[in-house]
Amino acid sequence: ETGVTQTPRHLVMGMTNKKSLKCEQHLGHNAMYWYKQSAKKPLELMFVYNFKEQTENNSVPSRFSPECPNSSHLFLHLHTLQPEDSALYLCASSQEALASGRALNEQFFGPGTRLTVL
Amino acid sequence: KQEVTQIPAALSVPEGENLVLNCSFTDSAIYNLQWFRQDPGKGLTSLLLIQSSQREQTSGRLNASLDKSSGRSTLYIAASQPGDSATYLCAVKKETSGSRLTFGEGTQLTVNP
Repeated sequence: ETGVTQTPRHLVMGMTNKKSLKCEQHLGHNAMYWYKQSAKKPLELMFVYNFKEQTENNSVPSRFSPECPNSSHLFLHLHTLQPEDSALYLCASSQEALASGRALNEQFFGPGTRLTVL
Repeated sequence: KQEVTQIPAALSVPEGENLVLNCSFTDSAIYNLQWFRQDPGKGLTSLLLIQSSQREQTSGRLNASLDKSSGRSTLYIAASQPGDSATYLCAVKKETSGSRLTFGEGTQLTVNP
């Protein structure tokens, strides 16, 4: 596997279900992100993890719970979601530390998980 | 609060035409600017990244310019092809915002054969 992978690619869940989205990056990066993309809206940043520590929470409702067990993996745990949470959820990673000769801070995205909440 | 605007929202051109996509941002204190491509229902593919100290970046038929003081960037696509059809997104990273990117709403490009 190369780049950033996400599973599952599609998910349909009821409002009472609990599910998790998984993201894995194979780029050796130290920062990972969750974004939400809804129809007709710009991408919205949800969470940022730097060196496994959460550094940003963009006022996301508590029914979304992120987890970053190591610098390569990022999860988004979902529970009691609402139909308006239906969207494409994108994971990204970047290298945020100084490293000579490398492009810094460029974000690389996974293919996304299309979530539908019934 | 940083706001990013992309014009036009949609663009349809015949194959072979050269075209320009525009991106403007309200706060010129940016760290870098990144152009992405997104195909329907898919993730984002990074096209070009311009650091704040740079004026332009080139990759193949793509050229991105940055005028930080006026809060503008353009993405130039030469000799467009039907495979270039996608939504193009511009995103800026503010100097003091840590890792946060602020995205525009994108330009939906259709290149007709």
